[in-house]
Amino acid sequence: AQSVTQLDSQVPVFEEAPVELRCNYSSSVSVYLFWYVQYPNQGLQLLLKYLSGSTLVKGINGFEAEFNKSQTSFHLRKPSVHISDTAEYFCAVSALGQGSTLGRLYFGRGTQLTVWP
Amino acid sequence: EAQVTQNPRYLITVTGKKLTVTCSQNMNHEYMSWYRQDPGLGLRQIYYSMNVEVTDKGDVPEGYKVSRKEKRNFPLILESPSPNQTSLYFCASSEYGTYTEAFFGQGTRLTVV
Repeated sequence: AQSVTQLDSQVPVFEEAPVELRCNYSSSVSVYLFWYVQYPNQGLQLLLKYLSGSTLVKGINGFEAEFNKSQTSFHLRKPSVHISDTAEYFCAVSALGQGSTLGRLYFGRGTQLTVWP
Repeated sequence: EAQVTQNPRYLITVTGKKLTVTCSQNMNHEYMSWYRQDPGLGLRQIYYSMNVEVTDKGDVPEGYKVSRKEKRNFPLILESPSPNQTSLYFCASSEYGTYTEAFFGQGTRLTVV
């Protein structure tokens, strides 16, 4: 089975400061990794994904994440945040598999990012 | 526009009164699923479907039913709702496979009193 741990439930930062949201995963097989963002009163939308290849992936709104296989991590970063980045961020993993595991996303518990002026 | 549409957005009901939350997608996706989101618990999968007439339990299926009679629709049925099913529900769809983006609906906030 797969599991995802988001190490911080809340991250407060000031505008224009850098931010890192941490995500670790556990899986006995190879995985695909995702970050989703949820703005207030909205559904989730994809920020970025790692499928294969370069371990540094870039997403929308200036976010990027780095896949570290040895540390089983997929931390999300942004060099300078804006107030509009205030949202909840979810890390998710999907295992390469067959049958009932194919297509299933396992989510972390979420990290609330709050950007202060 | 590619989208997943859930209805209703908000629902207050009483214990034991059967209800259905509808979900429809216009992207011809094979894979659809239902999640519930609770504070501090993230999203947990309730049921999923890999294609028409193919459904299976997720991590928290108790108290829920689903059906997939058409590719575009995947309703969630609560035959006898209880207060512990008060939650925010999301429907999602994706092309078959683990490597594609999942598209989410706007959510249905359900309160069972």
